[in-house]
Order: sequence, then structure tokens, then C-alpha cells
Amino acid sequence: QVQLVESGGGVVQPGRSLRLSCAASGFVFSSYGMDWVRQAPGKGLEWVAVIWYDGNKEYYADSVKGRFTISRDNSRNTLYLQMDDLTVEDTAIYYCARDRAPAAPYYLDFSGQGTLVTVSS
Amino acid sequence: DIQMTQSPSTLSASVGDRVTITCRASQSIGHWLAWYQQKPGKAPKVVIYKASSLESGVPSRFSGSGSGTEFTLTISNLQPDDFATYYCQQYNAYPLTFGRGTKVEIK
Repeated sequence: QVQLVESGGGVVQPGRSLRLSCAASGFVFSSYGMDWVRQAPGKGLEWVAVIWYDGNKEYYADSVKGRFTISRDNSRNTLYLQMDDLTVEDTAIYYCARDRAPAAPYYLDFSGQGTLVTVSS
Repeated sequence: DIQMTQSPSTLSASVGDRVTITCRASQSIGHWLAWYQQKPGKAPKVVIYKASSLESGVPSRFSGSGSGTEFTLTISNLQPDDFATYYCQQYNAYPLTFGRGTKVEIK
């Protein structure tokens, strides 16, 4: 079954950078779009970014555009999120999720526990 | 961006009740709507996709309806395992957007 294991979270100061990873298994990683979704403590779900199955297209939420970069390594079955110029509003649990499609807006499969990013001085 | 307005934000119910959650889209999204269930400390899991299709393995007491801009999730014969927070999500266009969630709690 779909297994997604997020890592790389931690405590970071405002303005600094962090890189999240998501190790995928249980499915053909290179056939699916992949997303990051975050959830601030006690709040709802916020979609962050998507990258299509072949890495040729990316979309971002306005709140992270220009600061975050999603990427993937299909040879390593791994998804990444490079987060630069972090602000306190980026504090959240970050989940990676698999699209139910390779290259279109779709609904998502989550499986991991997420990784907590705390931005604080 | 497509805004998703979900109501109510909290719903108190008893085991055996029938509950309904509503999600409204700021523009037509056809049938491109999913519902997720999330329990504390866990990742969300999809229960309904394409507005009314039941995800494999999800009990048949869950049902979804609607199209265009108005959608509902109904849970009939509420069970203890169903107490959770539910989110709608549109996938008609990027950015994907979620409703703010409905917490179904024990009365």
C-alpha cells in the first residue's frame, strides 16, 4: 500500500531555510503527481504545492510562491520541499501526499505522520 | 482561487444519529470534490471522491451528493469511530483548496 514518510522538520529561525523530504514506497512513484499539504497547530488543511509525475510542471499556493520549491527524484522515489525565507506563519505539520492522477488537479492520498516545522526566534 | 465554505464548524451528535455537513464552492466545480476524515494526530484519509463516489473500504453509511457549487456529506447511523474532523476539497483547478473543517463530536 501507499507509504509516505516525511522527514526534515525542526525548529528554525525566521528568515532561514529548511528542506523537507518524503520517501515513497508501495506504488510506482514516477507515475503520480505529488503534493505537499500543511496544517498549522489546531487549524485546517492548507495545500502548499504540487509537482507532476515527470517533474515538468509545478504549482504553488500564493502564500509560499517565490519562497518554496517542490522537486522530486524519481530514481530515489523521493519528494522534496525546499523552504526559504521562512516566517512564523509557516509553522505547521507538513504532509506529503500522492495525487490520484499523474498530471492534473485531483484528490490526495496521505499516509505519513507528517513532519513538524516550527519557525521561531 | 476557489473558496470552499464548510458548515457547520462543529456538530454535536450521538451514536446512531444521521449527520449532514455542507460545503459550498465560490464557483462551479462540477463533481470535482472530495471529503476527508481526520482523527487527532493522524493524516487525513479520503472517504468520498467525485462528490458521491465511496472510497474503497469506507463504510456505506457515508454518502456524498451535490454538484456545481453545493455539496453534502452525510453519515447515517453515526458510529463511535466516526467522531473526527471532516474536510471538503475541490480539485477542479489549482490551487487545490480545502474547507475549514467540521468537527463531529460526541453530544
